[in-house]
Amino acid sequence: DIQLTQSPSVLSASVGDRVTITCRASQGISTSLAWYQQRPGKAPKLLIYAASTLQSGVPSRFGGSGSGTEFTLTVNSLQPEDFATYYCQHLNDYPLTFGQGTRLEIK
Amino acid sequence: EVQLVESGGGLVKPGGSLRLSCAGSGFSFSSFSMNWVRQAPGKGLEWVASISAASVYINYADSVKGRFTISRDNDKKSLFLQMNSLRADDMAVYYCAREGSGYLRRLDYWGQGTLVAVSS
Repeated sequence: DIQLTQSPSVLSASVGDRVTITCRASQGISTSLAWYQQRPGKAPKLLIYAASTLQSGVPSRFGGSGSGTEFTLTVNSLQPEDFATYYCQHLNDYPLTFGQGTRLEIK
Repeated sequence: EVQLVESGGGLVKPGGSLRLSCAGSGFSFSSFSMNWVRQAPGKGLEWVASISAASVYINYADSVKGRFTISRDNDKKSLFLQMNSLRADDMAVYYCAREGSGYLRRLDYWGQGTLVAVSS
């Protein structure tokens, strides 16, 4: 099974900051990686797929990059609604595992 | 508008069974693969099972294999998860999620979730 490791687990930042979250896969997955945002008590929301494709309706301050085993999610100019938990997920083959999550909190 | 609405959650005793449902609307349900994903209280997301559009391909997480069965009824635009031999560590919010079309895989729409509690 492919394992995904996100770092950091917790990230403190301020409104207007630029932040980066990393997701490392235990083996190469090409670009078969998605990023989701989850606010407390809500369902996850797709942000990025195929490592760098922005889901329709998602603000352009969100960006993804990477291939193989290392991927990043970048959020430019943080807005108050961006403080949430972020998960990566690989869809290379089964099982479709998730990273453990990164909680983005207000500094 | 794409909508996924789960139902069927509740309190069940260890060893018991429960059947979850997910009703899809606003899209051609029979054209999309569907998934169940769960989240234990205070924990991260765990993929549970997937079923292809015509139910030809079915996959399970090792943690539920042999106990859970995913199925669908395309005429009724519904997805199901039959859960047997439930354990305390199955307690979670269960989400159904649609897999987007095309070769770029992703879970593009999610339901609001239904809570399964396992306790004696």
